[in-house]
Amino acid sequence: NAGVTQTPKFQVLKTGQSMTLQCAQDMNHEYMSWYRQDPGMGLRLIHYSVGAGITDQGEVPNGYNVSRSTTEDFPLRLLSAAPSQTSVYFCASSATSGGRTQYFGPGTRLTVL
Amino acid sequence: EDQVTQSPEALRLQEGESSSLNCSYTVSGLRGLFWYRQDPGKGPEFLFTLYSAGEEKEKERLKATLTKKESFLHITAPKPEDSATYLCAVQASSFAGGTSYGKLTFGQGTILTVHP
Repeated sequence: NAGVTQTPKFQVLKTGQSMTLQCAQDMNHEYMSWYRQDPGMGLRLIHYSVGAGITDQGEVPNGYNVSRSTTEDFPLRLLSAAPSQTSVYFCASSATSGGRTQYFGPGTRLTVL
Repeated sequence: EDQVTQSPEALRLQEGESSSLNCSYTVSGLRGLFWYRQDPGKGPEFLFTLYSAGEEKEKERLKATLTKKESFLHITAPKPEDSATYLCAVQASSFAGGTSYGKLTFGQGTILTVHP
């Protein structure tokens, strides 16, 4: 199993550009989520999904869109990038029953100029 | 609102010098407390889950304990390879679309540096 994979690993955008961060998991997990990690702020939840077709907002959703058309994939879209979105983004997945341990991907480091 | 506070923010130890990291929390309906290890440039790596007060779990030089208000991560005779950021998170039950899931709230982490 590859676990949780994320692409790209690094990305530089200009203000106003759009892009999609990709996340995939091969563990058949129902729950998937996106976090951003900023110095001194800890990991903050952006959006999450409990299954295909079901998404909801987390703590810091503004400026981001998500969709979940398959169990495996959960892309994060930045519609019009802003410097405040410079951060490291992590995708995570877990089962929705049992221990519910969330497993994280390797991250995408995004810089918005 | 669920809250997690980790202390200290940074900890420097000599190799072999045992110590503890603290995670204080407030949560409505704790389903689990998680410890993760994060190396620079990497994603968080799962270490432990604790479910109830009094529970303890061990892995190599690490031992996690849980009370009703806080958790400790004890590091015994640390080695330089234990240097990392240690993250604590609490999980509460939440529901979306008729499905229960585990919502995680993270602390800011403790940066551990172990010098040879």
